[in-house]
Amino acid sequence: DAGVTQSPTHLIKTRGQQVTLRCSPKSGHDTVSWYQQALGQGPQFIFQYYEEEERQRGNFPDRFSGHQFPNYSSELNVNALLLGDSALYLCASSLRLARADTQYFGPGTRLTVL
Amino acid sequence: LAKTTQPISMDSYEGQEVNITCSHNNIATNDYITWYQQFPSQGPRFIIQGYKTKVTNEVASLFIPADRKSSTLSLPRVSLSDTAVYYCLVGAILTGGGNKLTFGTGTQLKVEL
Repeated sequence: DAGVTQSPTHLIKTRGQQVTLRCSPKSGHDTVSWYQQALGQGPQFIFQYYEEEERQRGNFPDRFSGHQFPNYSSELNVNALLLGDSALYLCASSLRLARADTQYFGPGTRLTVL
Repeated sequence: LAKTTQPISMDSYEGQEVNITCSHNNIATNDYITWYQQFPSQGPRFIIQGYKTKVTNEVASLFIPADRKSSTLSLPRVSLSDTAVYYCLVGAILTGGGNKLTFGTGTQLKVEL
């Protein structure tokens, strides 16, 4: 049973560029959440998708956008990259109808903005 | 989500039992308690989840007193590989919606020989 997978593992971009990160949820899960984790900090919630729509959003600017596909996989897009966007980006999947929302995380994508 | 407070760091030795306590004084009736473990440059890994009393799995035990204002994660006989950051989270029991997890800075556990 495959867990949550993310690609790419590492990415280096320059300021002003755009980036797309990808996530495949754990088998059987229909909900995908994205988190940003700066060095030494806990993960911060960006947004959550299910049924191909953004359902909740954290305190992140519109430069951060996403998409969920019919197969439940998801993309995170960040436009006009800033140095401060350098972080580990984590994808987590869960089952929406589960009584208690247990989210399972992928290994993350390390984004470095130069 | 209820705010949580946990120690910034803890040190232990191999073979010892480690107990990490988390305070959540404002926990709501429909909140459950979840603990995650995170190694450097990896995603958090679900450890254990509970609502009240005691929960035990193959990795850890979770003790929740009757007032639910705190919880204790117990790791039996730790090894060097248990060195990681441990996060305590409190969130609502859902009835069909999504939820966002609010992480604090966690507890850095260091296990030595």
